[in-house]
Amino acid sequence: EDQVTQSPEALRLQEGESSSLNCSYTVSGLRGLFWYRQDPGKGPEFLFTLYSAGEEKEKERLKATLTKKESFLHITAPKPEDSATYLCAVQAPTDSWGKFQFGAGTQVVVTP
Amino acid sequence: GAVVSQHPSWVICKSGTSVKIECRSLDFQATTMFWYRQFPKQSLMLMATSNEGSKATYEQGVEKDKFLINHASLTLSTLTVTSAHPEDSSFYICSAGTSGGQDTQYFGPGTRLTVL
Repeated sequence: EDQVTQSPEALRLQEGESSSLNCSYTVSGLRGLFWYRQDPGKGPEFLFTLYSAGEEKEKERLKATLTKKESFLHITAPKPEDSATYLCAVQAPTDSWGKFQFGAGTQVVVTP
Repeated sequence: GAVVSQHPSWVICKSGTSVKIECRSLDFQATTMFWYRQFPKQSLMLMATSNEGSKATYEQGVEKDKFLINHASLTLSTLTVTSAHPEDSSFYICSAGTSGGQDTQYFGPGTRLTVL
């Protein structure tokens, strides 16, 4: 069975303290891996899509990388406004409708 | 681009009534829309996948007669919670995706349903 596991469940950082979030998956033949940010009471906001091992994408203080078994979301010098729950989702090639399987998320709190 | 709206953003209703939630893709045509449910401090649970002009595909354990989905056009899908009960109270989120292949899902802001 396909699985997506995110770690840690929660992360508390000081402003400026860089860290990484992990998303490991067991999908065979990944079609795409997606990172989202979700603020409380809101829908997920799209951050990145990664398709193949070795791929990297950056946006401001965030950088996502992908290997054959996991993805990392690196937060460099975070600010309080980076506080959110970060979700990763994978898309399997067998699903013609493009369904996602989500991880449970990592809740990040950045304190001043 | 890729903006998805939901209406209403929150709704409170009495037990036994039906509630309709609209999901619209504002600046692109969504061949596929997805409906999720999210409980506090939990991740998104896919309820159903809907494609324009065809019947929705429901995930295992989701009652299709209770959660009616209509994908009337390439920009509009509706979820109707019929005869709502307190246990249906949740955060409902829709997403819209483009046609198959390497497609990203863009999410709406969500609808908070509270059934009294």
